[in-house]
Amino acid sequence: SQKIEQNSEALNIQEGKTATLTCNYTNYSPAYLQWYRQDPGRGPVFLLLIRENEKEKRKERLKVTFDTTLKQSLFHITASQPADSATYLCALYPQNDMRFGAGTRLTVKP
Amino acid sequence: DTGVSQDPRHKITKRGQNVTFRCDPISEHNRLYWYRQTLGQGPEFLTYFQNEAQLEKSRLLSDRFSAERPKGSFSTLEIQRTEQGDSAMYLCASSLVGGSGANVLTFGAGSRLTVL
Repeated sequence: SQKIEQNSEALNIQEGKTATLTCNYTNYSPAYLQWYRQDPGRGPVFLLLIRENEKEKRKERLKVTFDTTLKQSLFHITASQPADSATYLCALYPQNDMRFGAGTRLTVKP
Repeated sequence: DTGVSQDPRHKITKRGQNVTFRCDPISEHNRLYWYRQTLGQGPEFLTYFQNEAQLEKSRLLSDRFSAERPKGSFSTLEIQRTEQGDSAMYLCASSLVGGSGANVLTFGAGSRLTVL
C-alpha cells in the first residue's frame, strides 16, 4: 500500500540548533515533493518544493533534499527560532491529487 | 484577492443533522480540493475539482458526503446524517494547474465540525 511516513510525531530542539525532519514514502513515484507548515487551528502553508531531478533546494534558513532511490526527503531548518515551532507536513503529488504525511510537530525552546 | 475563504469556521451539530461547508477559492485558480484532518493527523484527501468537473473522489467519501462546484467558482461540501466520527477539520485548498508549473496548494483556514 502507499504510505508517507514522517519520522516522529514531535521534535524538541534548542534555539539556534538545526532541526532535521524526515519524510519517507513507499509505492509512490512522485514528480515532486512539497513541504508545508501548519500552525494550530490554521490551514497548511506552502514552504518549499523539490522536483525528482533535483537533489537539494534552499530558501533562506530552509533546506530540502530529495533522494528518489531511498524514497526519502529531509527538511532542515538552520539557526532555529521559537517562531519556527509548528507542525511540518510533507506532501507528494503522485498524479492529480496531493497526499500528505501525518506531520512532525517541532518545538524550538529558547 | 484575500486567499481561500471557508465558512463557517466552526460548526457544532447534533448527530443525524446535515451540515454544509462553503469554500471560495482564489479566483484565478482552476483546481479546488477538499481534505479532512483529525487531531494529530495530516490532511486526508476527499475530492477535487478541475473547474466545475469533479475528477476524483476518495473512498473515504461515503455516500453521505457530496461536493459540488457549480460554474467552477465556489464549492460546497455537504455531510448528511452526521455521525460523531465526522468530527474533524474540513480544509479547502485551491491551485492553478497548467503548463509545466507545479501544483502548489493554497489552503483556507478550515471549517471545524463537532458532532455531538
